[in-house]
Amino acid sequence: AQSVAQPEDQVNVAEGNPLTVKCTYSVSGNPYLFWYVQYPNRGLQFLLKYITGDNLVKGSYGFEAEFNKSQTSFHLKKPSALVSDSALYFCAVRDTGDDKIIFGKGTRLHILP
Amino acid sequence: GAGVSQTPSNKVTEKGKYVELRCDPISGHTALYWYRQSLGQGPEFLIYFQGTGAADDSGLPNDRFFAVRPEGSVSTLKIQRTERGDSAVYLCASSLSGLGLAEQFFGPGTRLTVL
Repeated sequence: AQSVAQPEDQVNVAEGNPLTVKCTYSVSGNPYLFWYVQYPNRGLQFLLKYITGDNLVKGSYGFEAEFNKSQTSFHLKKPSALVSDSALYFCAVRDTGDDKIIFGKGTRLHILP
Repeated sequence: GAGVSQTPSNKVTEKGKYVELRCDPISGHTALYWYRQSLGQGPEFLIYFQGTGAADDSGLPNDRFFAVRPEGSVSTLKIQRTERGDSAVYLCASSLSGLGLAEQFFGPGTRLTVL
């Protein structure tokens, strides 16, 4: 069965600095990987996905993520953080041959002004 | 256009009661998913519909939980004999196609509290 781990409960970054939110996964086949963001009092929003192809995926709001097969990681990155990026971020994975998507427990990102 | 909507936004019930939670997906989306999110956790998969049929219900915790999507649009999650452990936010999502590859659009959720 597939699983996903977000090792950090919380990440604090100063505004303007680069940010990284970590995600590692485990699947038996090929992974399909996703990042979602949850703002306070709002539903989950899709940020980006990796299905196949280029390992560097660009998404909404200037975010990007790098698929690393050897390290089974899909870390979320942004070159310059904004205070408005403060939210809860979820990594998710789907295994080939399976319909369901498994979410990590989430990482709370705090961007300090 | 309209996004995914869920009703009610909040539901408080007593242990042992029956509840129904409704999800209206985005028009034209054939795939519909139900998740449960407990405090401090990520969404936990419950069931996935492709059209009218449940393609994968392996996430339903027990036979007290049931979901339907009779016309391939609106879906209802039904919980019988509710228990305090059922308290959580129940999320619905829809996507243009199934198989989990297309972007999922989430509703705001229904917060269920079982007293």
